[in-house]
Amino acid sequence: SQKIEQNSEALNIQEGKTATLTCNYTNYSPAYLQWYRQDPGRGPVFLLLIRENEKEKRKERLKVTFDTTLKQSLFHITASQPADSATYLCALAAGSARQLTFGSGTQLTVLP
Amino acid sequence: DAGVIQSPRHEVTEMGQEVTLRCKPISGHNSLFWYRQTMMRGLELLIYFNNNVPIDDSGMPEDRFSAKMPNASFSTLKIQPSEPRDSAVYFCASSLSTSASGELFFGEGSRLTVL
Repeated sequence: SQKIEQNSEALNIQEGKTATLTCNYTNYSPAYLQWYRQDPGRGPVFLLLIRENEKEKRKERLKVTFDTTLKQSLFHITASQPADSATYLCALAAGSARQLTFGSGTQLTVLP
Repeated sequence: DAGVIQSPRHEVTEMGQEVTLRCKPISGHNSLFWYRQTMMRGLELLIYFNNNVPIDDSGMPEDRFSAKMPNASFSTLKIQPSEPRDSAVYFCASSLSTSASGELFFGEGSRLTVL
C-alpha cells in the first residue's frame, strides 16, 4: 500500500543550526512533492514545491531535495530561528491527480 | 483576498446531531478540497471538487458524510448523524487547477467535538 513517512515526530535543535526533516514514501510515483508549515490552531501554509525531474529547490533559508531513486525528500532550514518552530508536512501528488496526500508531519522546535 | 473562509471555527455537539461545516474558497479558484485532521491519522483527504463537480469522494468515511458545492463560492460538508469518532479538525482548501505549483490554500479549520 502507499505510504508517506516523516521520521521523527519531533525534532529539537539549537537556534542558528540547520534543521533537516525527512520525508520517505513507498509505492508512489509522485509527479511532485510539496512542503507545508502548520502552526498550532492554523491551517497548513505552502512553502515549496519540487518536481520529479528536479534535484533541489531553494527559497531564502529553505532548501528541498528530491531523490526519486531513494524515494525521499529532505527539507532543510538553515540558520534556524525560534520563529521557525512549527509542524512541517510533506505532501505528494501522483500522476495527473491534483489530490495531495500528506505525511503525518514533524514538529520542529528551535531552542533559543 | 480574505483567503479560504470556514465556519464555524468551533462546534460542540451531541452524538446523533447533524453537523454542517461551511467553506468559501478563494475567488477564482476552481478546485476545492475537504480534509480531516486527527492526531492518529493526520491529514486525510475526504473529497475533492473541480469546477463544482465532485471528482473523488473515496475518502469520505461512510454514508453519514456528504459534501456539496452548489456554486463556485460555497461548499458544505455535512455529517448526519454525528458520532464521537468524527471529532477532528476539518479543513477546506482551494486551488487553481491550472496553477503550476498545485499549491493548496487552507482555511483555518473547523474544530468539531462530538460528545
